[in-house]
Amino acid sequence: DQQVKQNSPSLSVQEGRISILNCDYTNSMFDYFLWYKKYPAEGPTFLISISSIKDKNEDGRFTVFLNKSAKHLSLHIVPSQPGDSAVYFCAASAAGKLIFGQGTELSVKP
Amino acid sequence: DAGVIQSPRHEVTEMGQEVTLRCKPISGHDYLFWYRQTMMRGLELLIYFNNNVPIDDSGMPEDRFSAKMPNASFSTLKIQPSEPRDSAVYFCASSSLREQGDQPQHFGDGTRLSIL
Repeated sequence: DQQVKQNSPSLSVQEGRISILNCDYTNSMFDYFLWYKKYPAEGPTFLISISSIKDKNEDGRFTVFLNKSAKHLSLHIVPSQPGDSAVYFCAASAAGKLIFGQGTELSVKP
Repeated sequence: DAGVIQSPRHEVTEMGQEVTLRCKPISGHDYLFWYRQTMMRGLELLIYFNNNVPIDDSGMPEDRFSAKMPNASFSTLKIQPSEPRDSAVYFCASSSLREQGDQPQHFGDGTRLSIL
């Protein structure tokens, strides 16, 4: 049973436009949600997080939105750059453990 | 600053052999996590330590897998005997606080393990 789901395995966006990556979860007990970015042959690197008591967190070009009633979060990247091309993982935290989604591969085309 | 260091980066061995993966966490971090990434199951937590003590090993797939943390700067994940279905990328991560949002986990670059 997958508690964290990323239903889109891939996304292609034009440089300069907005990228929107989506994530759904099932467990209401998650206290933090995080996004990680992963390049090939490297480990995931932390990008941005949001507490379950907030609905938005922004850091430069990256904004995460949390909709608790829908158990849905999204990552917005504006404007998208070719260097943003990577696999993005959504993760949820409960009792100190992270549960990851399957990832979405983002391709930003020049 | 040095990040999480894992060795080896790649390991190819025959089934039945013992495999040992190594991890050096970031200095000062008191949590250490071992993950496995496969196509079928994605990125899953195997075990984590706090102050060198195993806290939760419920993700360890079976008794063939064992993990130790003899000191704050070193951990091993051992598979004995190894099987082809253990082929995966194994990541180690460390963090300084339990609050994941404030102190997120930092990952090493992984060990790509192939069991023939």
